Amino acid sequence: DTGVSQDPRHKITKRGQNVTFRCDPISEHNRLYWYRQTLGQGPEFLTYFQNEAQLEKSRLLSDRFSAERPKGSFSTLEIQRTEQGDSAMYLCASSTRTSGRANEQFFGPGTRLTVL
Amino acid sequence: GEDVEQSLFLSVREGDSSVINCTYTDSSSTYLYWYKQEPGAGLQLLTYIFSNMDMKQDQRLTVLLNKKDKHLSLRIADTQTGDSAIYFCAERSSGGSYIPTFGRGTSLIVHP
Repeated sequence: DTGVSQDPRHKITKRGQNVTFRCDPISEHNRLYWYRQTLGQGPEFLTYFQNEAQLEKSRLLSDRFSAERPKGSFSTLEIQRTEQGDSAMYLCASSTRTSGRANEQFFGPGTRLTVL
Repeated sequence: GEDVEQSLFLSVREGDSSVINCTYTDSSSTYLYWYKQEPGAGLQLLTYIFSNMDMKQDQRLTVLLNKKDKHLSLRIADTQTGDSAIYFCAERSSGGSYIPTFGRGTSLIVHP
C-alpha cells in the first residue's frame, strides 16, 4: 500500500496525558499537512511542512500542540496535557509539486483520539 | 475571513441524480474542490475546478461554478448506494501555503 498511513488508528487516553501520532506520507511527497476534524465539521488546518521545514504553525490550536518532521519523511503530532476538547479525528495529508497547480492532497485514514 | 457553506444532508433514491451545493465568500478563490469521505476513512479528492471555468465533467460527476454568485455545485448522475458518503466542498487561493478551507460537509444518503 503506497498511500498515506497514520498510526495509531485509535487512541484513548486520560485527561492530562500526552499523546503522539505518526504520519507516513506517500514516499515522493515533499509537503505534509495536519488537520483536525470534529464531528459534523470539515477538516481544520493545523500545520504544514515542506520537506523538514515547518512553514505554517500559527494555526496550531494551542502551545500544547506541536509537530515535527525531522528528516523530511514521516511526521509526528504531539498533544501535551490532553483535554476532553481535544477529542477528534486527526488527519494527515501529503502532496508534491507534481500534484499540479491544484496541489491535490492525499489524505490518510486518520487517528481518532478520545480523551476521557 | 474565508467561509464555505454547505447544506448538511441530502437524501436521494438510487438511480436519481444528486446535486450538492456550496457557497463560498473568498472572492480570490482560485481552486475549488470536491472531496468524498466514507465512514472511518480519510478524504478522497473527487474533482476540482479552476475559477476561470464554468463547468467540468468527469464521468458521472459534473461540477458547475457560478463565480459571480460564488456558488459551486456537484451533480452525481445515476446515484448508487456506494455514493453514500459525506461530500466536502473546499476552496483555496492561488499561491501561498496551498491550504484549502473546507465546508462542514453534506451527508448524502442513497436509498433503494
